[in-house]
Amino acid sequence: DGGITQSPKYLFRKEGQNVTLSCEQNLNHDAMYWYRQDPGQGLRLIYYSQIVNDFQKGDIAEGYSVSREKKESFPLTVTSAQKNPTAFYLCASSLSGRTDTQYFGPGTRLTVL
Amino acid sequence: KQEVTQIPAALSVPEGENLVLNCSFTDSAIYNLQWFRQDPGKGLTSLLLIQSSQREQTSGRLNASLDKSSGRSTLYIAASQPGDSATYLCAVKGMNGGNTPLVFGKGTRLSVIA
Repeated sequence: DGGITQSPKYLFRKEGQNVTLSCEQNLNHDAMYWYRQDPGQGLRLIYYSQIVNDFQKGDIAEGYSVSREKKESFPLTVTSAQKNPTAFYLCASSLSGRTDTQYFGPGTRLTVL
Repeated sequence: KQEVTQIPAALSVPEGENLVLNCSFTDSAIYNLQWFRQDPGKGLTSLLLIQSSQREQTSGRLNASLDKSSGRSTLYIAASQPGDSATYLCAVKGMNGGNTPLVFGKGTRLSVIA
């Protein structure tokens, strides 16, 4: 099956810990994205990548880091510098960046204990 | 800066009713507009994508229209069913500044009552 997978589905983090959220796609898409969703809010862009070994900050990049070493993978690290990380995190991809439909993964819910 | 607004924030209708969800955006320089569906605790599912040169797109009981000059889009759902209950989000892809990502509205939460 082609699609986007995110793992884990639920993640718990202690104060001061870094955690990494996985996002993998087998759609052969060039562009990949990370969004954060809070209750009653729209999606806010954290980082995006249009091509391997390249990525750009979105609107709320502080406290997060990414890498794009492979076309199919775009992991997101939530660092201890992110003061309010509890949220629902969504990964997406598109064939190119400009005019194509974005496809979303099932999401990871991160909770800080 | 592009802003996307969806009204109403929540809507409850009886089964079988036709309904319209609204989306407005402030900057008409867009590549496309996309409508998504999100079920509770799930990711987003793309419903319809309208390119800036198009006026509408249809898929089954769904019809989306785009009036770029006035900064408006509507999603029409015919003969609503309880299975249509979800949050519907619209998002626009702007043309300014190169490859800009999608800008999302906050969504309309739809409940279809059997």
